[in-house]
Amino acid sequence: QLQLQESGPGLVKPSETLSLTCTVSGGSISSSSYYWGWIRQPPGKGLEWIGSIYYSGSTYYNPSLKSRVTISVDTSKNQFSLKLSSVTAADTAVYYCARMYGDYVNDAFDIWGQGTMVTVSS
Amino acid sequence: IQLTQSPSFLSASVGDRVTITCRASQGISSYLAWYQQKPGKAPKLLIYAASTLQSGVPSRFSGSGSGTEFTLTISSLQPEDFATYYCQQLNSYPFTFGPGTKVDIK
Repeated sequence: QLQLQESGPGLVKPSETLSLTCTVSGGSISSSSYYWGWIRQPPGKGLEWIGSIYYSGSTYYNPSLKSRVTISVDTSKNQFSLKLSSVTAADTAVYYCARMYGDYVNDAFDIWGQGTMVTVSS
Repeated sequence: IQLTQSPSFLSASVGDRVTITCRASQGISSYLAWYQQKPGKAPKLLIYAASTLQSGVPSRFSGSGSGTEFTLTISSLQPEDFATYYCQQLNSYPFTFGPGTKVDIK
């Protein structure tokens, strides 16, 4: 069955760029009606949607992070990636990648990666 | 669109009927999903389109509502249901989550 796996550094210095990749296995990232998203969760807190991308490259970002976020897709590798620039301690969180079914009726994030903890610290 | 959940914390016993409410700051039709999260784990989709049960989710879970008020009901709480529950609106960007409801053992 389809699985998602996040990868990337677990420690990032303040002011630098956080970079994560999500590898999709057991299915194609190019499937129609599916979007691919990033969601984060600071320690002990709730969930925050960061942004989503369609395999064609169309992106949708949270305005609260838009100036610092770039999400891209590499269909040849079945991967999508997150870059978050100028990080601070407030960006310390577990970062999840997830698949979203999007037919404008039954939309939901139905498959999630296990999550990866990213700490921002010098 | 802001989502609020009530209660934020709920203490219940095995076998209890549990209801969690999610309210949206503006109408979102039925574009609402419910997730269950256990400590150290990724969220798990329970309900989408406000009332449709995700495949593989036990039938004791149900969802209802439309517009601005939604409920998640667990008809008979089981030991594995002790977790935090989040609602999420997918009516419009940016997608937002409720603050969560933690269901604990009484």
